[in-house]
Amino acid sequence: GAVVSQHPSRVICKSGTSVKIECRSLDFQATTMFWYRQFPKKSLMLMATSNEGSKATYEQGVEKDKFLINHASLTLSTLTVTSAHPEDSSFYICSASSGSSSYEQYFGPGTRLTVT
Amino acid sequence: TQLLEQSPQFLSIQEGENLTVYCNSSSVFSSLQWYRQEPGEGPVLLVTVVTGGEVKKLKRLTFQFGDARKDSSLHITAAQTGDTGLYLCAGLQGAQKLVFGQGTRLTINP
Repeated sequence: GAVVSQHPSRVICKSGTSVKIECRSLDFQATTMFWYRQFPKKSLMLMATSNEGSKATYEQGVEKDKFLINHASLTLSTLTVTSAHPEDSSFYICSASSGSSSYEQYFGPGTRLTVT
Repeated sequence: TQLLEQSPQFLSIQEGENLTVYCNSSSVFSSLQWYRQEPGEGPVLLVTVVTGGEVKKLKRLTFQFGDARKDSSLHITAAQTGDTGLYLCAGLQGAQKLVFGQGTRLTINP
């Protein structure tokens, strides 16, 4: 149980375009989803926390107009990188929590974004 | 923001040896988790420790939460090449937010 998927696993886009990444909880309802960014050989940095049906809470330094997060259902959250630039290239990972136990987060497999 | 310091950041040892990875903070965490991450994949939860002084064992892996809930350790006995990976500790800050350590990149050589 507690499986989280991400799609796509890899995406290459041109500078200036937008790209959407999906995060789905497959076998549980995720009241809260989290989006992380990981640079090569570095740890995970939390970008934002989203609760179903409400606006996401962004961490300091993360541009909310650039990284659009939607959590429209209890099984799906999306991250849209708008007007992507090469410096946005990174490994984006989502996690999901059912809320039944506050410290249990289940991570997706990640999405490798390359902006050319 | 509470910070977690992991040490060592890199560790390369021979198969069969023992090792310990440390995760330290000046702040108290309500719980702490250890993850293992393979290249190109998301972190996989190994264990959650909640109670100060708690010790949990997962086969050859032993996890300990400090009495004051500020630090934790991961001990691996008789390391195997399959243990190679990035080990991350993460402390729960507030109700939901996880704060990650920098990670320990472990390489077990045959």
